Amino acid sequence: GQQLNQSPQSMFIQEGEDVSMNCTSSSIFNTWLWYKQDPGEGPVLLIALYKAGELTSNGRLTAQFGITRKDSFLNISASIPSDVGIYFCAGLEPNFGNEKLTFGTGTRLTIIP
Amino acid sequence: NAGVMQNPRHLVRRRGQEARLRCSPMKGHSHVYWYRQLPEEGLKFMVYLQKENIIDESGMPKERFSAEFPKEGPSILRIQQVVRGDSAAYFCASSPRRYEKLFFGSGTQLSVL
Repeated sequence: GQQLNQSPQSMFIQEGEDVSMNCTSSSIFNTWLWYKQDPGEGPVLLIALYKAGELTSNGRLTAQFGITRKDSFLNISASIPSDVGIYFCAGLEPNFGNEKLTFGTGTRLTIIP
Repeated sequence: NAGVMQNPRHLVRRRGQEARLRCSPMKGHSHVYWYRQLPEEGLKFMVYLQKENIIDESGMPKERFSAEFPKEGPSILRIQQVVRGDSAAYFCASSPRRYEKLFFGSGTQLSVL
């Protein structure tokens, strides 16, 4: 099946720092979604990207759909305590009629006091 | 406008019993997806349904697992004769159109004793 490599696996940062994480695939996607999951809860959609090169912001979050269509990036500026959680990328293969949404393995963000 | 509703939140079963997990999609959404998540892992696709039809069940084990989304009522994921390895968090998501912005419920944590 499709492989999505997400990095880093975990991040330990101080409040106020900027955060960068990325997701790469072995083949092309035509949609990228970024989710955040808090403990004991379901993933919450943060940003959706539909075109190569697209750059979209949601408050302090900015995500980009890579030009090669094989990667995506999520940046968080000026992190705050409520940013703690696990961030998942998800990609949709361009296989009309047989698409699947594949999830990355997640990036766990921890803020050090 | 209620989100995706899953119940129960926690379900405890003994080996050999049946587990029934329910999912009510967001209002106006006719596409439902079930995912499974083990601790410290990403979400794994199980099945995709659209009202009364199974569209893709390629991620579902061939035995003991079944899913339905009747014309009236919630989608049901049914696991017969549960085993310890079925213990996991099961998440349901819904979307207004095929694979467009999936919104997730809070999940059902299944524990098999």
